[in-house]
Amino acid sequence: NAGVIQTPRHKVTGKGQEATLWCEPISGHSAVFWYRQTIVQGLEFLTYFRNQAPIDDSGMPKERFSAQMPNQSHSTLKIQSTQPQDSAVYLCASSSDWGGSYAEQFFGPGTRLTVL
Amino acid sequence: AQRVTQVQPTGSSQWGEEVTLDCSYETSEYFYRIFWYRQLFSGEMVFLIYQPSFDTQNQRSGRYSVVFQKSFKSISLVISASQPEDSGTYFCALSEPSGKLTFGEGTQVTVIS
Repeated sequence: NAGVIQTPRHKVTGKGQEATLWCEPISGHSAVFWYRQTIVQGLEFLTYFRNQAPIDDSGMPKERFSAQMPNQSHSTLKIQSTQPQDSAVYLCASSSDWGGSYAEQFFGPGTRLTVL
Repeated sequence: AQRVTQVQPTGSSQWGEEVTLDCSYETSEYFYRIFWYRQLFSGEMVFLIYQPSFDTQNQRSGRYSVVFQKSFKSISLVISASQPEDSGTYFCALSEPSGKLTFGEGTQVTVIS
């Protein structure tokens, strides 16, 4: 079991450019979660999918951020027109479903996004 | 709204000592879970232990255990016989029934050999 895979590990973009972050969950896990970690805000929930369907995006900034899960093997987080305040570590996690409630989440190594 | 607070930003111990990390939380949910994770210096998040709200027994897993005080909405992580490899930042996280986690600020622990 390879664990949750996130690519790239590091990404540097210029202000105004687009960034796409990839996550491959653990095979067989039905839920995928995205979090963002900064020194100032700590760990914040962004969005999550269950069985590929978007369930809760209450943590996503309303503009410029979008997430998709086109198939059970990967999810993407896209940030359009990146701004310096988007600089953070973006963490993806997956979890199995215990009849409607969840087991522990397994985290990927994160993607460190730096916006210059 | 859910909220998790870890008031100890840092902590340290000597090799072999017991370490206790505190966490308090706010929730209006009846069913919830409290998870503890350690974040390594590499950034990797490692699951340690969890406590379900409906279980009155304190959970144990290897050298990790919790002291769950549901009526006070507090929970402590206890690490017995601490080792240098236990160093890292420890996060308490509250899980809603939906599954999403609300994290505390974290406590950075250093175990001195």
